[in-house]
Amino acid sequence: AQSVTQLGSHVSVSEGALVLLRCNYSSSVPPYLFWYVQYPNQGLQLLLKYTSAATLVKGINGFEAEFKKSETSFHLTKPSAHMSDAAEYFCAVIAGNTGGFKTIFGAGTRLFVKA
Amino acid sequence: GAVVSQHPSRVICKSGTSVKIECRSLDFQATTMFWYRQFPKQSLMLMATSNEGSKATYEQGVEKDKFLINHASLTLSTLTVTSAHPEDSSFYICSATPGGGRGGELFFGEGSRLTVL
Repeated sequence: AQSVTQLGSHVSVSEGALVLLRCNYSSSVPPYLFWYVQYPNQGLQLLLKYTSAATLVKGINGFEAEFKKSETSFHLTKPSAHMSDAAEYFCAVIAGNTGGFKTIFGAGTRLFVKA
Repeated sequence: GAVVSQHPSRVICKSGTSVKIECRSLDFQATTMFWYRQFPKQSLMLMATSNEGSKATYEQGVEKDKFLINHASLTLSTLTVTSAHPEDSSFYICSATPGGGRGGELFFGEGSRLTVL
């Protein structure tokens, strides 16, 4: 079965500092992995996705993630945090088979950005 | 990107009444839509997968008679919370994908906050 684990429910960084949000996956097949962002009282928005092409994936708003099979990780990074990056971030994996797919979400990591 | 619209964004109802939430894909056809429930400061819990023209597939532990899902067209799915009680108060989010395959990106509605008094 496919699953994701996000390490750290809260991460706090200073504005301009590196952002690192951790995600580890478990999958019996080559995984399709996603990072979504959720702002308060809103739905989720896709930041980036890995679907077995390049291992370093670039997304919107300056975020990127690297797929590392040896570490079963898909950590999200951004070189320099902005105040507007403060939000909840979810790592997700696709589970299922040709009979039907569904997205499984991690518990989420709330990012705080200090001025 | 594709747009999914959810309505209403907020609803307050009395205990015992039923509430309907609509999820529409505005610029694409969605044979499959998903309904999630999110408690404060928690992740999304998949409630059910809504398939156009057929019965929804409910996740374990979700009462199908409590949460009625209808997917009557390729652009509309509805979630009806029947005989709502305060414990049903939550943030409900729908999502849809233009592609039904494994690499399908999800597009989310804005969410509907239900408060049952």
